[in-house]
Amino acid sequence: DTAVSQTPKYLVTQMGNDKSIKCEQNLGHDTMYWYKQDSKKFLKIMFSYNNKELIINETVPNRFSPKSPDKAHLNLHINSLELGDSAVYFCATSPGQGGYEQYFGPGTRLTVT
Amino acid sequence: GESVGLHLPTLSVQEGDNSIINCAYSNSASDYFIWYKQESGKGPQFIIDIRSNMDKRQGQRVTVLLNKTVKHLSLQIAATQPGDSAVYFCAENINNQGGKLIFGQGTELSVKP
Repeated sequence: DTAVSQTPKYLVTQMGNDKSIKCEQNLGHDTMYWYKQDSKKFLKIMFSYNNKELIINETVPNRFSPKSPDKAHLNLHINSLELGDSAVYFCATSPGQGGYEQYFGPGTRLTVT
Repeated sequence: GESVGLHLPTLSVQEGDNSIINCAYSNSASDYFIWYKQESGKGPQFIIDIRSNMDKRQGQRVTVLLNKTVKHLSLQIAATQPGDSAVYFCAENINNQGGKLIFGQGTELSVKP
């Protein structure tokens, strides 16, 4: 079983649409994160959740809304998609809240046309 | 501001040689550091970590060195193999910021057979 999985792996959509990316982990970790990797491979954190509670909310447009239905899942919903949202989005998990030992999923490549 | 940077964006080595990837960080409050390996089309893979109360940590063929005096981190890969070709990231965790990892730009390691 994959420890951290994301769906879909690729997502191509048009500007203005609303889309969701899902993340699931079977590691039993308490904390989950969303990161964005741009075309220059720069990775930046967007959100983190600890036991379904929002912990980190970086300066991300409010078109992005994370949701954690349970400890094993963290979804990312994006409204009114823009060209600049095109990137690879990674989910990550860690055992505790301190950010130690973060393990990443395979990524979702989002292309907005 | 907070930043983690790399001295070299690309590194090319001969198979069997040792590789050294360097990283500079700027926040003296950082208490934990991770090295990640990212292969094309995949998520960052945890390689090795080190806490700020240590200056060296060894894994299988990898060693991380931490010099807090000059805020420098390095990853040494022994007997580099073609499978080590990837982009390597260092990341720092600033104490009491909720587990937020700050990533450097990345160094692309190319191993020539």
